[in-house]
Amino acid sequence: QKEVEQNSGPLSVPEGAIASLNCTYSDRGSQSFFWYRQYSGKSPELIMFIYSNGDKEDGRFTAQLNKASQYVSLLIRDSQPSDSATYLCAVNRGREAGTASKLTFGTGTRLQVTL
Amino acid sequence: DGGITQSPKYLFRKEGQNVTLSCEQNLNHDAMYWYRQDPGQGLRLIYYSQIVNDFQKGDIAEGYSVSREKKESFPLTVTSAQKNPTAFYLCASSWTSGSYNEQFFGPGTRLTVL
Repeated sequence: QKEVEQNSGPLSVPEGAIASLNCTYSDRGSQSFFWYRQYSGKSPELIMFIYSNGDKEDGRFTAQLNKASQYVSLLIRDSQPSDSATYLCAVNRGREAGTASKLTFGTGTRLQVTL
Repeated sequence: DGGITQSPKYLFRKEGQNVTLSCEQNLNHDAMYWYRQDPGQGLRLIYYSQIVNDFQKGDIAEGYSVSREKKESFPLTVTSAQKNPTAFYLCASSWTSGSYNEQFFGPGTRLTVL
């Protein structure tokens, strides 16, 4: 079992729809979770992070975390063609405060927003 | 303008040569990281450093070396011992004093071995 799993896609949604991106992780002790967006040929860009069960909203983006199910998701409302990219889920396996974060990344889900 | 810079953007190397990739940050972050990304794959951690003059191996350190002589700089050397070095190399940095220490990435260096 991979440590962080994502469906590779492509996930195709029409413009204006809600895109739902999912991620599962295997380490039950993981504390914080990150979503990055990566355009083709570019470096990852941090969109959101979440650490408590429930929802966290930032503009059109909502991150959802369910630690009991070891599941993280990212919802993108009112999807735009500019949202077309690969979305990477990352899980922090670091435990100690005051230390570097140790991220394990999924392979990413490619999102296509169609006109 | 705060950020992370990597150079060069593209690098071509002949087999058997060592090459050094540059990473500089002016965010005053304590920690710096090197990842590689292969097509269709996630990022894999090569090395990381939490403080000057200290660094730790990541998941795929074989064939790579690093140094951290200054807080703002963390160069990566890809040695001839690295069997499959063609990849997209990403440098990142973060705080260590926060609760979540989110990582921010530089623009990357694309290395091709000819």
